[in-house]
Amino acid sequence: KAGVTQTPRYLIKTRGQQVTLSCSPISGHRSVSWYQQTPGQGLQFLFEYFSETQRNKGNFPGRFSGRQFSNSRSEMNVSTLELGDSALYLCASSLGANQPQHFGDGTRLSIL
Amino acid sequence: GEDVEQSLFLSVREGDSSVINCTYTDSSSTYLYWYKQEPGAGLQLLTYIFSNMDMKQDQRLTVLLNKKDKHLSLRIADTQTGDSAIYFCAEMGSGGSYIPTFGRGTSLIVHP
Repeated sequence: KAGVTQTPRYLIKTRGQQVTLSCSPISGHRSVSWYQQTPGQGLQFLFEYFSETQRNKGNFPGRFSGRQFSNSRSEMNVSTLELGDSALYLCASSLGANQPQHFGDGTRLSIL
Repeated sequence: GEDVEQSLFLSVREGDSSVINCTYTDSSSTYLYWYKQEPGAGLQLLTYIFSNMDMKQDQRLTVLLNKKDKHLSLRIADTQTGDSAIYFCAEMGSGGSYIPTFGRGTSLIVHP
């Protein structure tokens, strides 16, 4: 069974640009969550989607957005990039309530 | 909000046992998880325990749960250099949530 797939693995952008990251969950998993991981702040929850609806949202500015498609694949978008957005962005999928999340290998975003 | 605490670093000698500790505040936690993150990778689910269990063993891994003290530990027997990684503790509350609360991670360093 294929795991969670995130593309691209690495991205380099400059301040002010926007970026779209993609996540394909494990087949059958309908919940997809996004996290930002930085050395200083650790793992921070961005948002969670289920059946194309955002159900939970973390404490991030509106520049961070996401969506989920009917096949459960998800994208997250960051607009007007700032230097502080440099991080590893992780996607996780799960089968249902109280089920463990399974993570992809992340997208490493660097802002110059 | 709910909180999960872990010590930041643990250093052990190859062949010794490692014990990584975690405390949490949510008394309604139903599931508790241990994840491992190697450099450049996402979080890998190692094991998890239901809150009505005291112990779970899986090959070299032993999870102990003291629900009264809200304390979780992960013991790795015969620690190898390949076990060097960051270990995250996470808990899931009882409200049918899909979003676990993660600790900051414990960096395990195994030296020869």
